[in-house]
Amino acid sequence: ETGVTQTPRHLVMGMTNKKSLKCEQHLGHNAMYWYKQSAKKPLELMFVYNFKEQTENNSVPSRFSPECPNSSHLFLHLHTLQPEDSALYLCASSQYRAANEKLFFGSGTQLSVL
Amino acid sequence: AQTVTQSQPEMSVQEAETVTLSCTYDTSESDYYLFWYKQPPSRQMILVIRQEAYKQQNATENRFSVNFQKAAKSFSLKISDSQLGDAAMYFCALGPPFSGNTPLVFGKGTRLSVIA
Repeated sequence: ETGVTQTPRHLVMGMTNKKSLKCEQHLGHNAMYWYKQSAKKPLELMFVYNFKEQTENNSVPSRFSPECPNSSHLFLHLHTLQPEDSALYLCASSQYRAANEKLFFGSGTQLSVL
Repeated sequence: AQTVTQSQPEMSVQEAETVTLSCTYDTSESDYYLFWYKQPPSRQMILVIRQEAYKQQNATENRFSVNFQKAAKSFSLKISDSQLGDAAMYFCALGPPFSGNTPLVFGKGTRLSVIA
């Protein structure tokens, strides 16, 4: 399998639930990203990991907790979410952490918070 | 602050025809990168084309080409010989120079429909 794989594809959760999104890349890349895509809004960068170290957290609420156990896997742990957190969550990777690098995206997890 | 504006929320084109998607941006940098990403119904975004601001020659990738007007801060995408598979959301994005790690700034996107 190649590319960037995200699971689950869809997720419905209540505000008191705890769930996790998973991202896996088989490209040998060193940087991984979480993006949030909401309807009619630009893509928002949430977190960046470079060589397994978190390098950026763009003022994301603490109810979102990322984890990068190795350079191939990235998780986003969710707890006590709000309805406004409903969105498409995209994972991406790149060879290096530089904004001019080509990003490789997964197909995202469509999250609905009830 | 850097901004990217895509003024056309939706566009349509006949199959085999040519369509141009608009993108304007604002930045105080003299060197930067510009991108067009495509997001088909599968939701997986794919890089279509990338332009380095210091290169005057417009980038091309097969049927995709850009019209980069640095002074006007305009970066439009032209799709020639449109195909049904070109139907997707298209996002314009602005990035810093090579050594920078400021996040990409994306536009809100243009939804392109291709009519058979």
